[in-house]
Amino acid sequence: GDSVTQTEGQVALSEEDFLTIHCNYSASGYPALFWYVQYPGEGPQFLFRASRDKEKGSSRGFEATYNKETTSFHLQKASVQESDSAVYYCALGDRTGNTRKLIFGLGTTLQVQP
Amino acid sequence: GGIITQTPKFLIGQEGQKLTLKCQQNFNHDTMYWYRQDSGKGLRLIYYSITENDLQKGDLSEGYDASREKKSSFSLTVTSAQKNEMAVFLCASSIDWGGDTQYFGPGTRLLVL
Repeated sequence: GDSVTQTEGQVALSEEDFLTIHCNYSASGYPALFWYVQYPGEGPQFLFRASRDKEKGSSRGFEATYNKETTSFHLQKASVQESDSAVYYCALGDRTGNTRKLIFGLGTTLQVQP
Repeated sequence: GGIITQTPKFLIGQEGQKLTLKCQQNFNHDTMYWYRQDSGKGLRLIYYSITENDLQKGDLSEGYDASREKKSSFSLTVTSAQKNEMAVFLCASSIDWGGDTQYFGPGTRLLVL
C-alpha cells in the first residue's frame, strides 16, 4: 500500500539555520502531497500542498517541491526561528478505490535553540 | 474560515468503560474523520464519514463505533476502554469526498486508569 517515510525523527537547529526535513513517498500515479505542522497541545495545522510534478507548495517561509522522479517532497526553510519548534508531518492523499484518506509519515520534531 | 471543536479536551476513563468523544465543525464540510495519534506511531485513521449518516471504516476501526447524525457533528465511541491506554483522538474535516485537504481540531486526550 501507499506509504510516507520521514527520514529524521528529530532535528535540532539554532535560529537562522537552514532547515531540510526529508519526505519520500511510495504510491502510484500523482497523489497529492501535504505538509502539516503540530504545536504542543494542538491538532495538526495544514501548511501547504502540491498535486503535480515540479509544483512548489509554500507557506510561512516553508516550501517543498513535488518530485515524481525521486518520489520526494522535502520541506525547507531558509532561516528558522525559535517559534518554528514543532512536529512536522508529511502526508499523501490516498485515493485507492473508494478510499479517501491521508497517509501520514511518523513526524519530525524540530527543536530550534535561540 | 471555520473551526473544529472537540469535547472533552481531556478524558479519564476506567478499564472496560464506554467513552464518547464529540466533534463539531462549522466549515460546512461534507466529510469528517477520526484519527488516533500515539507517540511514535503517527496518525491512524479510525473512521470517516463522507456525508451525513454515512460511515466508513478506517485502518483502526476495531474497538470503536462512530455516529454522524448531522452534517456538522461526528461522534466516536470507544466501546471498551483498555487499561493504561493513552492516546490523542483527532477529528478532521474536508470540503467533500473529493477534497484532499483536511483541517484538524485540537484533539481529545484520553487516559485509561
